[in-house]
Amino acid sequence: KQEVTQIPAALSVPEGENLVLNCSFTDSAIYNLQWFRQDPGKGLTSLLLIQSSQREQTSGRLNASLDKSSGRSTLYIAASQPGDSATYLCAVQTGANNLFFGTGTRLTVIP
Amino acid sequence: DAGVIQSPRHEVTEMGQEVTLRCKPISGHNSLFWYRQTMMRGLELLIYFNNNVPIDDSGMPEDRFSAKMPNASFSTLKIQPSEPRDSAVYFCASSSYSGAPYEQYFGPGTRLTVT
Repeated sequence: KQEVTQIPAALSVPEGENLVLNCSFTDSAIYNLQWFRQDPGKGLTSLLLIQSSQREQTSGRLNASLDKSSGRSTLYIAASQPGDSATYLCAVQTGANNLFFGTGTRLTVIP
Repeated sequence: DAGVIQSPRHEVTEMGQEVTLRCKPISGHNSLFWYRQTMMRGLELLIYFNNNVPIDDSGMPEDRFSAKMPNASFSTLKIQPSEPRDSAVYFCASSSYSGAPYEQYFGPGTRLTVT
């Protein structure tokens, strides 16, 4: 069974810093990888999706990379803002439908 | 598009009662998923449907849980009888499997509390 791990579990940074969130998965036979954002008491917002044939995706201040052979992905957030404070979840899809989630990284950006 | 719609947003019930959670997927999507999120286990897939047909229900915890999708625009997740350990946030998601990249879109969730 696919296992997804996210490190660190929590991260606190001052506003303006660049930061990296890590995600690792045990089975490299994935279809795609998604990064989600979850605010407290809210649903999941999809941030970026990387297909298995891609190496990275960018959206604004966010950049996600994928190294399928090593089972790793990173989410880079540039010039962090207090509004970026949330839990970030990594999820891998190992077929057309099976989505496995990591436990998340809780990010706090201090003004 | 209104996105995935779930109701109710919050549900508080007593142990032993029947609970029904509802979901309306994004129009045109042909896959629907039910997930459960708890502090202990994180997000877990319970069941998913393709074209209204249940494909994999191996994540359903026990026979007290059942899910139906009578048509392309509506699904229910029922718990009967409910127990305190069922307290969690239940998410519904939808996607289109007829073309890449199978991105899943999530609803706002239903927070269930069983006392």
